[in-house]
Amino acid sequence: GEDVEQSLFLSVREGDSSVINCTYTDSSSTYLYWYKQEPGAGLQLLTYIFSNMDMKQDQRLTVLLNKKDKHLSLRIADTQTGDSAIYFCAESMGDGGSQGNLIFGKGTKLSVKP
Amino acid sequence: DSGVTQTPKHLITATGQRVTLRCSPRSGDLSVYWYQQSLDQGLQFLIQYYNGEERAKGNILERFSAQQFPDLHSELNLSSLELGDSALYFCASSDYITDTQYFGPGTRLTVL
Repeated sequence: GEDVEQSLFLSVREGDSSVINCTYTDSSSTYLYWYKQEPGAGLQLLTYIFSNMDMKQDQRLTVLLNKKDKHLSLRIADTQTGDSAIYFCAESMGDGGSQGNLIFGKGTKLSVKP
Repeated sequence: DSGVTQTPKHLITATGQRVTLRCSPRSGDLSVYWYQQSLDQGLQFLIQYYNGEERAKGNILERFSAQQFPDLHSELNLSSLELGDSALYFCASSDYITDTQYFGPGTRLTVL
């Protein structure tokens, strides 16, 4: 069945890089997503990557995709205390055309120490 | 701000009761998804509507139902509520081309 796995916790110092890892099982997933959830808030879309890409960079965020190993990572450069949140990896079960619900990992809680 | 709105923000009710959660998608989005977030189950897909019609069903209980109206807003109805239904309920909308889902702020349901 479909499953998305992430480590539950990550702690880094302010200014360091954070790397959050995720593995997924469905090789037919078209899009893979990273969402951020701050305490008491909703899910904020951070970035996404199309499955035929290896890498996507967006300011401080870098997404790496290893499709052979079904491994996705999110790197946050120069991590700030405001980056403290839970980060969710998600795979889309569709191929566009509003056919895909998302399968989420359990989330990685990132703690940034000053 | 994602452009997706949900009301109410918080809801406190008793076991056995029925509640309705409301969602308005982003302007122009035809698809609405409902998700439940709880501590033990994480984020789980419940149901999807596209332009008024049910498109996909996930782990939605029979006590729960949803609909999407001609103006594209959606309602999630939860009945015969149990303590275990206490959770955050999120709505998301997506456009047809990119399929990227944008989430609302959620409704926190507490069943006492």
